Amino acid sequence: QQKVQQSPESLSVPEGGMASLNCTSSDRNFQYFWWYRQHSGEGPKALMSIFSDGDKKEGRFTAHLNKASLHVSLHIRDSQPSDSALYFCAASLNSGTYQRFGTGTKLQVVP
Amino acid sequence: NAGVIQTPRHKVTGKGQEATLWCEPISGHSAVFWYRQTIVQGLEFLTYFRNQAPIDDSGMPKERFSAQMPNQSHSTLKIQSTQPQDSAVYLCASSLDLLENTLYFGAGTRLSVL
Repeated sequence: QQKVQQSPESLSVPEGGMASLNCTSSDRNFQYFWWYRQHSGEGPKALMSIFSDGDKKEGRFTAHLNKASLHVSLHIRDSQPSDSALYFCAASLNSGTYQRFGTGTKLQVVP
Repeated sequence: NAGVIQTPRHKVTGKGQEATLWCEPISGHSAVFWYRQTIVQGLEFLTYFRNQAPIDDSGMPKERFSAQMPNQSHSTLKIQSTQPQDSAVYLCASSLDLLENTLYFGAGTRLSVL
């Protein structure tokens, strides 16, 4: 079964530090990737999408995709306590199908 | 824009009862998705619609779950004869259904089956 695995399960970083989250897919046919984050009591909210190999930067967030190694990562610089949340990687086979979500990484930013 | 609206936010049912969950997608979005979230299984895909037509229900438990989208402004997820293992947060999301197929989620309905 096609799966999306995330690591680490949980992560604690100091305020102002860099958080690095990882995601590996089991199927080379996954072509489209997203990062979402979910605060307690809310639905997931999209942070960014990445469809091509390389880096994509949006503000303090940078995603990196390497389709050959089936790996996508998210780096958060200058982490803030408000970044504390559950982060999900999602992947789809093509733009018109549903997204498969990873297992999630719980990020805690400590003041 | 109020975002995706899900009602009710919380629902408690007894074992064997029926539960109906409602979703109002963002106006202008053509795709609607249903997911289920539990601690153990994480975020699981259930079903989705495009332009009100059912496209893929491969994640739906076949016997007791059904979903409909009678018009472009709302979708329902119905669970018959609810069981304790159905307890979860049910999330609805909509998207513009373009290449940039970003999902916009509602806050979810927490279903508790006693």
